[in-house]
Amino acid sequence: QVQLQESGPGLVKPSETLSLTCTVSGGSVSSGSYYWSWIRQPPGKGLEWIGYIYYSGSTNYNPSLKSRVTISVDTSKNQFSLKLSSVTAADTAVYYCAREAPPTTFDYWGQGTLVTVSS
Amino acid sequence: QSALTQPASVSGSPGQSITISCTGTSSDVGSYNLVSWYQQHPGKAPKLMIYEVSKRPSGVSNRFSGSKSGNTASLTISGLQAEDEADYYCCSYAGSSTFEVFGGGTKLTVL
Repeated sequence: QVQLQESGPGLVKPSETLSLTCTVSGGSVSSGSYYWSWIRQPPGKGLEWIGYIYYSGSTNYNPSLKSRVTISVDTSKNQFSLKLSSVTAADTAVYYCAREAPPTTFDYWGQGTLVTVSS
Repeated sequence: QSALTQPASVSGSPGQSITISCTGTSSDVGSYNLVSWYQQHPGKAPKLMIYEVSKRPSGVSNRFSGSKSGNTASLTISGLQAEDEADYYCCSYAGSSTFEVFGGGTKLTVL
């Protein structure tokens, strides 16, 4: 059974960089069959796709966030990570990592982690 | 504003059937058979219910079905049960510039 677990700070100051890591167990980020994605959900609102990475390091990002987002993968640790720079209160959300059997089929999700942007 | 349009809420009584629509454009829903649906209970992660318009993952009840006509995809739930009460989101591939877009979500109430 594939499991994903997000980790990282729950509070980030405005203008700083949000950093989260997703640890995968029961499966490998080196699998060529999947993309590894980040999705977020502001409190009380809908889902927003942030971007994904392939094991090779190839990435694609939501055009509305592209200038601030970096997703990376560490195959030795079976992890992938999200960095979102210059955050504002609008970036406050539950951040989910997910496995994607491309495209749009997110079949396994982490439990989500709430990141609050506040001074 | 979400890229895909869903009704904010739908409701039905136990045993009835309901349909949730997901309207996009010829650049997303209308161009690709790559629409998925997710169920989300409060405080929980979304769960995949339908992928590639009408395929059901192993373990998902056959009361859930998906379809598409033109720029609109639909999720139908038959034989409504209390545990179906949740938020539902559609997602579509939107090409190699926009990639993936979600709908705004629909709250299903089982009366």
